[in-house]
Amino acid sequence: GNSVTQMEGPVTLSEEAFLTINCTYTATGYPSLFWYVQYPGEGLQLLLKATKADDKGSNKGFEATYRKETTSFHLEKGSVQVSDSAVYFCALYTDSSYKLIFGSGTRLLVRP
Amino acid sequence: NAGVTQTPKFQVLKTGQSMTLQCAQDMNHNSMYWYRQDPGMGLRLIYYSASEGTTDKGEVPNGYNVSRLNKREFSLRLESAAPSQTSVYFCASSEAGFRNQPQHFGDGTRLSIL
Repeated sequence: GNSVTQMEGPVTLSEEAFLTINCTYTATGYPSLFWYVQYPGEGLQLLLKATKADDKGSNKGFEATYRKETTSFHLEKGSVQVSDSAVYFCALYTDSSYKLIFGSGTRLLVRP
Repeated sequence: NAGVTQTPKFQVLKTGQSMTLQCAQDMNHNSMYWYRQDPGMGLRLIYYSASEGTTDKGEVPNGYNVSRLNKREFSLRLESAAPSQTSVYFCASSEAGFRNQPQHFGDGTRLSIL
């Protein structure tokens, strides 16, 4: 079946450090891939998305590239800020499943 | 623009009590969803409504019922609450399905069953 695997958290970084959060997926067909962010006490917000192989999604300094050959969609940011502290969820959607499948989430803590 | 509004934000129930969680969206979206979020498990889909007048089961529907009251509102009912239903519940909506469409989420209802 379709699934998403994310790296275990928490990830703790100092401000201005480079961030990578790994995400790999298993899916039949050609999924769309998403990164969502959840700030404390809030619902999820779409951060970025990619709908086909080699697409790069980007937003607020975050980037992720849809790699079909490695079935990955790793999230990166060159210089994190304290305000980036949140839980990040990788997700996929396929037309055959008609539902969004989430990874378990990775908590990011950025220290000043 | 309120987006997706959930009520209540917090609730404590005793085992066996019933309760309805309310959700309303003001974006004229066709599709609406209910998820539960548990530690280490991400979000799991309980039920969804692809369009007004239709509802379908998601991954974890047991113990829940839903009603798509109109295009704006989608409620989730626990008929006889159990401790295993302690969770944070999120409602979401989207234009039509998931592809190319972000889902808009409410801020959640934190539910504790004693």
